Amino acid sequence: SQQGEEDPQALSIQEGENATMNCSYKTSINNLQWYRQNSGRGLVHLILIRSNEREKHSGRLRVTLDTSKKSSSLLITASRAADTASYFCATVASGTYKYIFGTGTRLKVLA
Amino acid sequence: GAGVSQSPSNKVTEKGKDVELRCDPISGHTALYWYRQRLGQGLEFLIYFQGNSAPDKSGLPSDRFSAERTGESVSTLTIQRTQQEDSAVYLCASSPAGTGQGFGNTIYFGEGSWLTVV
Repeated sequence: SQQGEEDPQALSIQEGENATMNCSYKTSINNLQWYRQNSGRGLVHLILIRSNEREKHSGRLRVTLDTSKKSSSLLITASRAADTASYFCATVASGTYKYIFGTGTRLKVLA
Repeated sequence: GAGVSQSPSNKVTEKGKDVELRCDPISGHTALYWYRQRLGQGLEFLIYFQGNSAPDKSGLPSDRFSAERTGESVSTLTIQRTQQEDSAVYLCASSPAGTGQGFGNTIYFGEGSWLTVV
């Protein structure tokens, strides 16, 4: 089964609001990454958080990681219509090389 | 090259025909991944290459699927006797090195090859 599962599956918000997406995973990990996908094509890396980190920021993005709960969240602040996309978390289980992606959250930001 | 390049971008094929999908990774990237994504769904891992060896082929759905890689360069994913359920976007990604204990490499994706089997 999928290593990562995101929720919600879909999220619709107004421009300027914050968007929060959650990811849960099953095994010990080295790191967790968030990716963005526009229109079902290539994924773009957003941010990486290592297993010994609890929070990380990049511009309007804030990622948290709770290894005790095996979960992560991605917060996009002051959302824009251009943030409309699908967002995926990806994990690498300890001792492996395989990136496992979750099912994704489809975010729609209304102008 | 500057990024991961995949070809063709789009392919429509008749059921039962064979197709080849090509991936050109970023120069110098030793790790290469193939994923499949059906419409509206997540990414399914297919295969991982470290150099030209494939230590993990566990995600290949059936023996109709095969992949090879030349050195640390181009990879080809071949689907024989295509079926309608093979319709999906096939995404290739590369990374500077294999990930594992302590690694934290970003993987870089191509734009994908959209396969439609009619």
